[in-house]
Amino acid sequence: RKEVEQDPGPFNVPEGATVAFNCTYSNSASQSFFWYRQDCRKEPKLLMSVYSSGNEDGRFTAQLNRASQYISLLIRDSKLSDSATYLCVVHTSGTYKYIFGTGTRLKVLA
Amino acid sequence: GAGVSQSPSNKVTEKGKDVELRCDPISGHTALYWYRQSLGQGLEFLIYFQGNSAPDKSGLPSDRFSAERTGGSVSTLTIQRTQQEDSAVYLCASSSGLETQYFGPGTRLLVL
Repeated sequence: RKEVEQDPGPFNVPEGATVAFNCTYSNSASQSFFWYRQDCRKEPKLLMSVYSSGNEDGRFTAQLNRASQYISLLIRDSKLSDSATYLCVVHTSGTYKYIFGTGTRLKVLA
Repeated sequence: GAGVSQSPSNKVTEKGKDVELRCDPISGHTALYWYRQSLGQGLEFLIYFQGNSAPDKSGLPSDRFSAERTGGSVSTLTIQRTQQEDSAVYLCASSSGLETQYFGPGTRLLVL
């Protein structure tokens, strides 16, 4: 089993739709979680950290479920510019390794 | 402020040649990572530097790969006797230890 698993997609959604991605992790000692966005032929960029209580940034909401060992990303009112690959990243405090998922590809259609 | 920079942005080389890839991390960041990303794949960890500590080289795929970091700042990833399977995007990231990594734009390596 991979340490971090994501559905590769693609998720094809119309503009204005709400879409959600999940990411599961296998190491219960994992303590920090992030969503990165990667555009085609570009480097990954931090989208948001994921806090235990859940957090929101505009149209984006991230949640953590420790009991089931998954994190989620919800995008409301999708824009064409949201089209990208979304990478789930898991980090265990006290270590330096960040484990990246292979990403979920989102296509927002006009 | 300036982000992570990498050079060259693109490199085409012939099989068997050596290549050097450079990374300039964000000033003051003590942690530096090298990753490799093949087409359509996730990020593969290669090597990690933290301050003056010995680097973790456990991700390097073969002894043809090596990296160094001089003065706790600039890092160079060297691939000797390149093979076609080395073709990928090589990404460098730095961190201040507060957990968030910042990536450079990457070097796209093509081995013919």
